[in-house]
Amino acid sequence: KNQVEQSPQSLIILEGKNCTLQCNYTVSPFSNLRWYKQDTGRGPVSLTIMTFSENTKSNGRYTATLDADTKQSSLHITASQLSDSASYICVVSAIGSGGSYIPTFGRGTSLIVHP
Amino acid sequence: NAGVMQNPRHLVRRRGQEARLRCSPVKGHSHVYWYRQLPEEGLKFMVYLQKENIIDESGMPKERFSAEFPKEGPSILRIQQVVRGDSAAYFCASSPGLKAGLFYNEQFFGPGTRLTVL
Repeated sequence: KNQVEQSPQSLIILEGKNCTLQCNYTVSPFSNLRWYKQDTGRGPVSLTIMTFSENTKSNGRYTATLDADTKQSSLHITASQLSDSASYICVVSAIGSGGSYIPTFGRGTSLIVHP
Repeated sequence: NAGVMQNPRHLVRRRGQEARLRCSPVKGHSHVYWYRQLPEEGLKFMVYLQKENIIDESGMPKERFSAEFPKEGPSILRIQQVVRGDSAAYFCASSPGLKAGLFYNEQFFGPGTRLTVL
């Protein structure tokens, strides 16, 4: 069964600090891994997307890493801001029948940034 | 996420009524996904559609739920005879489809419809 586990479940940090969120997955056959940011009451917004051959990808203060051998990914946030407070969701897609790409969502890490 | 429209944003139904949720994808996108999110839970895949075709509905309950994406107009997620357990946020996402040579299919999410069943 395809699964995506994220840790920690929640995290509180002070503004300006860095943090790292973890994602472990058992999804096969692997297609791609994405990190999304979901603000309360809104739809998820894509931060990064990585395929099998990519080890790291950055988007501003967000840097995602992927280790396809250990099936782990991390999202590092640098110099956190109050607006970073949100749920961060790891999504891993498998190649499905007919060429479809079926995503498995993690439950998310709830990040709170305090001033 | 810009461009994916969902309506209504909030929907209240009594048990036994029907709920119709609409999703207009980003212009030019021919692939639509529907997801359900329960409070404190992650998003759960329900159904994947291309224009006029259901590609994968493995996440959608067999009873009471149906989805369509007609040639013209928005995608519709229909829930018949709603029950309290159907209360959730329903998100739609669209994508342009497979890009030649690349194994990714980035999805753009709408703001969601929050269904409350009384």
